[in-house]
Amino acid sequence: GESVGLHLPTLSVQEGDNSIINCAYSNSASDYFIWYKQESGKGPQFIIDIRSNMDKRQGQRVTVLLNKTVKHLSLQIAATQPGDSAVYFCAESISGGYQKVTFGTGTKLQVIP
Amino acid sequence: GAVVSQHPSRVICKSGTSVKIECRSLDFQATTMFWYRQFPKQSLMLMATSNEGSKATYEQGVEKDKFLINHASLTLSTLTVTSAHPEDSSFYICSARGAGTKNTDTQYFGPGTRLTVL
Repeated sequence: GESVGLHLPTLSVQEGDNSIINCAYSNSASDYFIWYKQESGKGPQFIIDIRSNMDKRQGQRVTVLLNKTVKHLSLQIAATQPGDSAVYFCAESISGGYQKVTFGTGTKLQVIP
Repeated sequence: GAVVSQHPSRVICKSGTSVKIECRSLDFQATTMFWYRQFPKQSLMLMATSNEGSKATYEQGVEKDKFLINHASLTLSTLTVTSAHPEDSSFYICSARGAGTKNTDTQYFGPGTRLTVL
């Protein structure tokens, strides 16, 4: 089912610091996870993904960690910049076929200059 | 790569009229397209999934006669909101996945369409 929140949790971070955004997923059968960034009035933008056979994956300034034991996903942003201010959604799915993606409630990241 | 466009970006219409929103994959073949609706400060709510050349699969609670979806080609899907009412006002976002992308499991999103029904 869909996960819809009434309001978004907010994370405020000083510019230059590292940010950690957490997400709990619900389906133990999910094997593919994605982080999306959504700026105000725009569609979600793919940031990084990870499959269940990995527990860590790094991109440019971003790292995703996966803990399947507790069904937890995190996104780490190094040296956070004002342009990182947005809402971040984690998403889970089952790979292959036409499995739909289930989105988390989202976290708003505010970068303080 | 993996660019998805939507048109129009904003639309204002009168109550009772129908509105069509287009979603295009510009540089890949979208075998599957998804339509989402998003309310302010909330997550994305999946409305329907469509595979090229077949009927869309609607999520529970979504009226298929009100939200008509057509996925006639590998690069185009349309969502028509029929007899729109003010409660249909929302941000509608499409996504697509398919051949020619880095990962065929990844959905790539369009920029969204803001619908306002007066």
